[in-house]
Amino acid sequence: ILNVEQSPQSLHVQEGDSTNFTCSFPSSNFYALHWYRWETAKSPEALFVMTLNGDEKKKGRISATLNTKEGYSYLYIKGSQPEDSATYLCAFTPGTYKYIFGTGTRLKVLA
Amino acid sequence: DARVTQTPRHKVTEMGQEVTMRCQPILGHNTVFWYRQTMMQGLELLAYFRNRAPLDDSGMPKDRFSAEMPDATLATLKIQPSEPRDSAVYFCASGVGRNQPQHFGDGTRLSIL
Repeated sequence: ILNVEQSPQSLHVQEGDSTNFTCSFPSSNFYALHWYRWETAKSPEALFVMTLNGDEKKKGRISATLNTKEGYSYLYIKGSQPEDSATYLCAFTPGTYKYIFGTGTRLKVLA
Repeated sequence: DARVTQTPRHKVTEMGQEVTMRCQPILGHNTVFWYRQTMMQGLELLAYFRNRAPLDDSGMPKDRFSAEMPDATLATLKIQPSEPRDSAVYFCASGVGRNQPQHFGDGTRLSIL
């Protein structure tokens, strides 16, 4: 059974703090790793897609890294702001067209 | 910006009634997914299609749920008969391939009384 695990489940940080979370996925049969941002009462929005070992992507204060050999990806947020509060989902695509989602990390940034 | 369109946005109905949810994928997207938002699992995959062919519907309760793509611009998810435990937000997403992101609709919030 292919499983994607995210940690921590939830996180509270103060405004201005930097933070990071982890997505673990099977290292075999890897095709791509996706990160999404999901605000309450909205739909998930794509942040990054990464396909190559060692990939690093950045969008503003958010960045992500990928290690396909050991099966993990990190998402970093520098200088967290209240508007960063959301659930951050990762999804792994193996050899099929199915996206296997983790249960997410719920981030709350306190002003 | 192109968007995935889901209708209705909200649906309240009584137990036992048929419910049909519709999704218009982004033009040119050939992969369509149906998800249900759950408290425990986040996004639960119900079914997905590629080039209108169903590839996997193992996540759906077969006795009451059905998913179809009558054409490239319309995907449907039906529940018959509906039950209170079906109450959830149902998302449709579309995409073009495994190394591209999925684009999600705004969801259908379903309440079964």
